[in-house]
Amino acid sequence: SQQGEEDPQALSIQEGENATMNCSYKTSINNLQWYRQNSGRGLVHLILIRSNEREKHSGRLRVTLDTSKKSSSLLITASRAADTASYFCATVSGTNAGKSTFGDGTTLTVKP
Amino acid sequence: EAGVTQSPTHLIKTRGQQATLRCSPISGHTSVYWYQQALGLGLQFLLWYDEGEERNRGNFPPRFSGRQFPNYSSELNVNALELEDSALYLCASRTSGTYNEQFFGPGTRLTVL
Repeated sequence: SQQGEEDPQALSIQEGENATMNCSYKTSINNLQWYRQNSGRGLVHLILIRSNEREKHSGRLRVTLDTSKKSSSLLITASRAADTASYFCATVSGTNAGKSTFGDGTTLTVKP
Repeated sequence: EAGVTQSPTHLIKTRGQQATLRCSPISGHTSVYWYQQALGLGLQFLLWYDEGEERNRGNFPPRFSGRQFPNYSSELNVNALELEDSALYLCASRTSGTYNEQFFGPGTRLTVL
């Protein structure tokens, strides 16, 4: 399995509910980033959490990082239909010469 | 401030042909990354250019190549196209020497018939 694996692969919820996506990785990291992609378009950066941080917030987004378990979670609170998209985590480590390694993503569908 | 731009938006080629994709990074960004995203899948790292030099490449055959120009724009070339090269090709840029977020372009959809 590859670095930066998201779980679940797909998630369907009702508007107003919270959505939680998880990401696991294998090697030590410099930071971990979450991105969003709307149906085959470019990715938009959501949030970056550094290896020495445990939690970060941005609006309705909350990201946690557990380096001992090599995992991260993205929580979207009070979801909206407009949150429907694919979400990717990307890891950056000093050993991969600055490139980000992306997982296969979680497809989130928020039903109105 | 203009974002990352890519051209063309769509490209249709036949097997065996060559494709050239272009990317212009955000002004001030010297690092350019290329990714391949097959339908429904995640991003596969292709190439990383910084300050005009290739810094790293992913597990792709040599027929995938590219370059970065003095103005930091970049070109991705795919020779001897195969059907499985059909994908969305994404370019991203960021400031050199940082591990911060990448800014993505809208992508080029390459279809090989």
